[in-house]
Amino acid sequence: GAGVSQTPSNKVTEKGKYVELRCDPISGHTALYWYRQSLGQGPEFLIYFQGTGAADDSGLPNDRFFAVRPEGSVSTLKIQRTERGDSAVYLCASSLTGGLAGGREQYFGPGTRLTVT
Amino acid sequence: AQSVTQLGSHVSVSEGALVLLRCNYSSSVPPYLFWYVQYPNQGLQLLLKYTSAATLVKGINGFEAEFKKSETSFHLTKPSAHMSDAAEYFCAVSEAGGFKTIFGAGTRLFVKA
Repeated sequence: GAGVSQTPSNKVTEKGKYVELRCDPISGHTALYWYRQSLGQGPEFLIYFQGTGAADDSGLPNDRFFAVRPEGSVSTLKIQRTERGDSAVYLCASSLTGGLAGGREQYFGPGTRLTVT
Repeated sequence: AQSVTQLGSHVSVSEGALVLLRCNYSSSVPPYLFWYVQYPNQGLQLLLKYTSAATLVKGINGFEAEFKKSETSFHLTKPSAHMSDAAEYFCAVSEAGGFKTIFGAGTRLFVKA
């Protein structure tokens, strides 16, 4: 079956611009996660959705970052007024449920490489 | 607060040699522990996980890890390295009852012929 997909695979934008990154989770997965991975680092948690609601957004670095999942499936990560420090690979993952306390396997997408010039 | 420390950003072994990748964690409650692997130009995939059942966990591709509460460790091992094991390996922790997963910085494994 289809895995997690993310679009675009690469995005180059100028400092100060707005970007949207899209994630299509595995069908039927209710839990969805966004991570940011900088060069030489592990994935850094940004936000977790259970269904349509953001159950934990404590990893969003500031109010320029926002994510939505209006119908409980596709999610969009939105970054306003981009800065060079936002350059990273943004990963999306989904799992069958996050309700059982994080013990479920997460299936990762290939990521979107964001470069802010 | 949870944290994960992976000792050694790079590990090099010869083909056929033992692979040992170290991971220590901190967690205020019983954790779930994971090892993920990232092959070049591919997404992360789960190797194995510990969720409070057997402390010795077997995963895919001949890897296993042992949860040692007294040492707060979850080291990953494989008896005999293959060239195809060359990749980046990430240890991760999440709390029972929580959603956030914290990843270590990763260890890149090189396998020499």
